[in-house]
Amino acid sequence: GESVGLHLPTLSVQEGDNSIINCAYSNSASDYFIWYKQESGKGPQFIIDIRSNMDKRQGQRVTVLLNKTVKHLSLQIAATQPGDSAVYFCALRWDNNDMRFGAGTRLTVKP
Amino acid sequence: DTEVTQTPKHLVMGMTNKKSLKCEQHMGHRAMYWYKQKAKKPPELMFVYSYEKLSINESVPSRFSPECPNSSLLNLHLHALQPEDSALYLCASSHSLSYEQYFGPGTRLTVT
Repeated sequence: GESVGLHLPTLSVQEGDNSIINCAYSNSASDYFIWYKQESGKGPQFIIDIRSNMDKRQGQRVTVLLNKTVKHLSLQIAATQPGDSAVYFCALRWDNNDMRFGAGTRLTVKP
Repeated sequence: DTEVTQTPKHLVMGMTNKKSLKCEQHMGHRAMYWYKQKAKKPPELMFVYSYEKLSINESVPSRFSPECPNSSLLNLHLHALQPEDSALYLCASSHSLSYEQYFGPGTRLTVT
């Protein structure tokens, strides 16, 4: 069946390094993708989105890359800071405007 | 106002109780959502309202009953819940169905 997944459940990086969080998906009809950050005890927070007519989009310290050929989405965080420590979810629009979330990657930033 | 608010923050209820969760946004968003999130798991979509009409019901048991009284409010009525329904219940809103969703802080529900 269709699925949304992430390559790694946990990621640990040194403060100041760049982080890359990956997401694989299988629904080729998905046309809208979002990255969320969820800190402990809080709701998910929108980071950045990308539509299927683009392959790259940049925000403040974050870049999302979309490779529709291999159905892969990634989030790059530049100069990772302790405040970036959280669980990161990819989400994509499935059929009928149903948004589905990936399993999540826990990012830990070491000082 | 750029936030989604949810009340209560915490709720403990017995299996025979009736309670309601409330969600409010004043961003003019016309789509609102209920999600359920278990510990260490991603949010799972339960219901979607678009222009105050139920758009998606992800085969949620009838003991969960959503209501959208107006474009700013979304309720989730709870009745005869089971202990496995204990979870964080998240509300979200978006400009429309094709835009990013903004989440509230959630209601932590415990069913005893």
